[in-house]
Amino acid sequence: QVHLVESGGGLVRPGGSLRLSCTASGFTFSDYYMSWIRQAPGKGLEWVSLISSRSSTMYYADSVKGRFTISRDNAKRSLYLQLNSLRAEDTAMYYCARDPRANYGDYAFHIWGQGTMVTVSS
Amino acid sequence: QSALTQPRSVSGSPGQSVTISCTGTSSDVGFSIYVSWYQQNPGRAPKLMIYDVDKRPSGVPDRFSGSKSGNTASLTISGLQADDEADFYCASYAGYSVIFGGGTKLTVL
Repeated sequence: QVHLVESGGGLVRPGGSLRLSCTASGFTFSDYYMSWIRQAPGKGLEWVSLISSRSSTMYYADSVKGRFTISRDNAKRSLYLQLNSLRAEDTAMYYCARDPRANYGDYAFHIWGQGTMVTVSS
Repeated sequence: QSALTQPRSVSGSPGQSVTISCTGTSSDVGFSIYVSWYQQNPGRAPKLMIYDVDKRPSGVPDRFSGSKSGNTASLTISGLQADDEADFYCASYAGYSVIFGGGTKLTVL
């Protein structure tokens, strides 16, 4: 069964940091592009960041560039998102997601985790 | 990175067809072959319905189809069913980024 499970969310003060993790199972993790997408409460989807299968390419939304860092450990079948200098507007459910096809970047999100909630508040 | 433009809502009766548009620019939808569509039910993670403009993942009914003309992509749902009611989002590769549309609420009357 193909599965993604996020963890690491929580309540953090403005300016604080958090590290999100996403653990994969049921597929060859190292073959797929992976992404983080977030959704603020009651709002639409916002793409956050993408990393290629071998970490050679990393893209970020302008809204998080310079504050968030995406990474992956293929040996651990894990994707990460380091969130620094957090702001109230970063409050959202954070989903990790997998590309549709192995060894190709479709820039689409086929398999999704259940999400982990990040709340930035004093 | 401005959001793609989608209608706030569309509606149709069971059995009818509806089309949801997604308008971007020549820097995203207009130049990209990487346009995708997602269905999201309340409290659930989104589900991929269409990718690469018109490809359906395994398990998605062929009632769902995608197309693109110029800077506008479209998702057409034929033979509407009650459980199609959901929010739908489009997304497009935009050169070093991905942009989502604002979302469209589909109501099945």
